[in-house]
Amino acid sequence: DQQVKQNSPSLSVQEGRISILNCDYTNSMFDYFLWYKKYPAEGPTFLISISSIKDKNEDGRFTVFLNKSAKHLSLHIVPSQPGDSAVYFCAASAVTSSGTYKYIFGTGTRLKVLA
Amino acid sequence: EPEVTQTPSHQVTQMGQEVILRCVPISNHLYFYWYRQILGQKVEFLVSFYNNEISEKSEIFDDQFSVERPDGSNFTLKIRSTKLEDSAMYFCASSEIRIWGAYGYTFGSGTRLTVV
Repeated sequence: DQQVKQNSPSLSVQEGRISILNCDYTNSMFDYFLWYKKYPAEGPTFLISISSIKDKNEDGRFTVFLNKSAKHLSLHIVPSQPGDSAVYFCAASAVTSSGTYKYIFGTGTRLKVLA
Repeated sequence: EPEVTQTPSHQVTQMGQEVILRCVPISNHLYFYWYRQILGQKVEFLVSFYNNEISEKSEIFDDQFSVERPDGSNFTLKIRSTKLEDSAMYFCASSEIRIWGAYGYTFGSGTRLTVV
């Protein structure tokens, strides 16, 4: 049951260039989409989110785009920096029957920014 | 910045043994979660906990698993009789009561459980 998919396990980008990480989902009922960043030996860290009613959200160097008709979202990092090298997880938020939220994660994309 | 603290960072246990993974959520948070990540795979939801009871659990969270908030600060995950396939990174997370889907949880740095 892969409701959230990240088809690229890894990506290498030169410092200063744009990094584009992609994510596809299957469930049209997801209401929020989030990107998490994870360094080795650390827990995932929340990066940026987007509501399902929007198509773009920007925070500094990070922009998330949502294409609902294609059930696709992407994270753009401009300009990419070596410190951005990490595993990036796409996650979709689903309301549970008890009213809490749980996240359904993709398998992650390892980004390597080359100096 | 407030943190979610998990101990131990790495636990090695014999198959069939019981393990308890410990977490100290952020002090004013009221919702608690456990997720796990098997090496190379996605991060998977296990259970959410609020008001001293489980509010949601996944199919992974079978009778071998239990959670408890034994005092005002700790939140534990117990695996009664560990199996080889329980080897994974276990992440604890917490969130404020009014947090909703737009905001991420705060995750701890994880406990790597190795069952041998």
